[in-house]
Order: sequence, then structure tokens, then C-alpha cells
Amino acid sequence: SQKIEQNSEALNIQEGKTATLTCNYTNYSPAYLQWYRQDPGRGPVFLLLIRENEKEKRKERLKVTFDTTLKQSLFHITASQPADSATYLCALVISTDKLIFGTGTRLQVFP
Amino acid sequence: DAGVIQSPRHEVTEMGQEVTLRCKPISGHDYLFWYRQTMMRGLELLIYFNNNVPIDDSGMPEDRFSAKMPNASFSTLKIQPSEPRDSAVYFCASRSRLGTGGYEQYFGPGTRLTVT
Repeated sequence: SQKIEQNSEALNIQEGKTATLTCNYTNYSPAYLQWYRQDPGRGPVFLLLIRENEKEKRKERLKVTFDTTLKQSLFHITASQPADSATYLCALVISTDKLIFGTGTRLQVFP
Repeated sequence: DAGVIQSPRHEVTEMGQEVTLRCKPISGHDYLFWYRQTMMRGLELLIYFNNNVPIDDSGMPEDRFSAKMPNASFSTLKIQPSEPRDSAVYFCASRSRLGTGGYEQYFGPGTRLTVT
């Protein structure tokens, strides 16, 4: 069956450390992969996109990798801050129109 | 731009009642998506429109669910009759086919539906 898996357990890290979140998928061949941030009571907000022919993408303190052989994307937040605490969702772009979302990983950054 | 607007923000209704959720997409966006989010199933695509035309409704769970987009600035998702298992947060999102080509979607704040 088709699956997108993210760490179901919350990730707790100390301020200043690097947070690494994982997105694994099976039975898809996405041309793009996106990461979204969702705060409680709000809709997801787009953060980054990476294409299948890109190994790595950076935006300020965020870094995303995409390994189509392993069918995995890693999402890194360097120098994490308490304001980074949120749920992070990966989404596969499986056609020009449709996104399939993972279940999300809740990140908690402690001062 | 005000972003994607959804109403109501919260809806509490009794089983069997009709529920109508509303969405106003970002002006100029030609794609509109309806999602449902629950703890158990995460964020699921229900239906999406392109230029007001429904393209894929394969995610609509049952005939009790219907969606319309009468014009480019308004869409509704209707549940009739509602059941307790429909309790969830319903999101509307919109997207433009132009721009970076990254297909990023812009989400509204959601409607939290509780069916008792």
C-alpha cells in the first residue's frame, strides 16, 4: 500500500541544537516534495520545496534533503528556537495538482 | 490579500443535521482544495477544483458529502446528514498554476466541526 511515514513520536530538543525530522514514503515516485509547518489551531504553511533532481535545498536555518533511492526526505532546523515548536508535515507532489501529506511530527524546542 | 477565508471557524451540530462549510480562496488562484484533518488519519484530500470545475472527488468519503464551486471566489462543502465520525477540522486551500511551479498550497484557518 502507499504510505508516507513521519516520526509519530514528538521530537523534544534543546534550544540551539539541530532538529532533524524524517519523511519516508513507499510506492510513490514524486517529482517534488514539500514541507509545511502547522501551529495549533491554524492551517499548514508552506516552507520549502525540493525537486527529485535536487539533493539538498536550504532556506535560512532550514535544510531539506531528498533521496529518491531511499525514498526519504530529511528536514533540518539548525540553531533551533522555542518559536520553531510546531508540527511539521511533509507532502508528496504526486501530480501537478495533488499533494499527499504525511501525518506530521510535533517538534518541541525547550529553552 | 487576506489569505484563504473559511467560515464558520467552529461548528457544533447534532447528528442528522446538515452542515455547510464555506471557503473564499485567494483572489487569482485557480485551484481550490478541500481537506479533512483528524488525529487518526492526518490531512486527507477530499476534493479539488480547477477553474471552478471539480477535477477529483475520489477522497470524498460518502454520498453524504458534496462540494460546489459556483464561482472563482466561493466554494462550499456540505455534509447531509452529518454523523459523529465526521467530526474533524476541515481545511480549504488554494493555489495558482503560475509562480514558481512548486505547487505550494495556501491554507485557510480551518473549520472545527463537532457532530454530537
